[in-house]
Amino acid sequence: KQEVTQIPAALSVPEGENLVLNCSFTDSAIYNLQWFRQDPGKGLTSLLLIQSSQREQTSGRLNASLDKSSGRSTLYIAASQPGDSATYLCAGTQGGSEKLVFGKGTKLTVNP
Amino acid sequence: GAVVSQHPSRVICKSGTSVKIECRSLDFQATTMFWYRQFPKQSLMLMATSNEGSKATYEQGVEKDKFLINHASLTLSTLTVTSAHPEDSSFYICSASSDRGLYYGYGYTFGSGTRLTVV
Repeated sequence: KQEVTQIPAALSVPEGENLVLNCSFTDSAIYNLQWFRQDPGKGLTSLLLIQSSQREQTSGRLNASLDKSSGRSTLYIAASQPGDSATYLCAGTQGGSEKLVFGKGTKLTVNP
Repeated sequence: GAVVSQHPSRVICKSGTSVKIECRSLDFQATTMFWYRQFPKQSLMLMATSNEGSKATYEQGVEKDKFLINHASLTLSTLTVTSAHPEDSSFYICSASSDRGLYYGYGYTFGSGTRLTVV
């Protein structure tokens, strides 16, 4: 059974700092990987999708990478801002399945 | 982009009553829709997968007679919590996928969630 671990569980940083969030899968055979953010009491907002043929995606200050050999993904946030404060979730699918398996998330707080 | 609308955002109901939650894909046809449940400070737990025009596939441990899912069209799926009890209180989120979503890099699109409180 695929399990997803996100480290750290919580992170507090001062504004302007660059940071890295980590995600690892027990089964490294990841097909698609997606990073989301969730604000308190809200749904999920998709940030980046790394499809099966890709290894990295960038959007603005965000960069996500996937190492399929190890089943690890990182989300890099540059020049963090207070508006980045949220819970960040990674989720992946495996070949032949549309089901997304989620980690428990990293709660990020960016202090002004 | 790909937008999924979920209603209602909040609902309070009495024990024993039924509640219907709607999930609509607004600008694309969702071949598959998913329903999740999220407990406080926990991740999302997949409850069921539904494909338009066919019966939903429920995850192990999810009561299909209690959580009725209907996916009558390519843009609408509904989750009905029947005979609700306080332990059904939770945050329910739907998501949708399509070939277009993957092609354009949207991946899975999620609704804004429904906070259900059963009193």
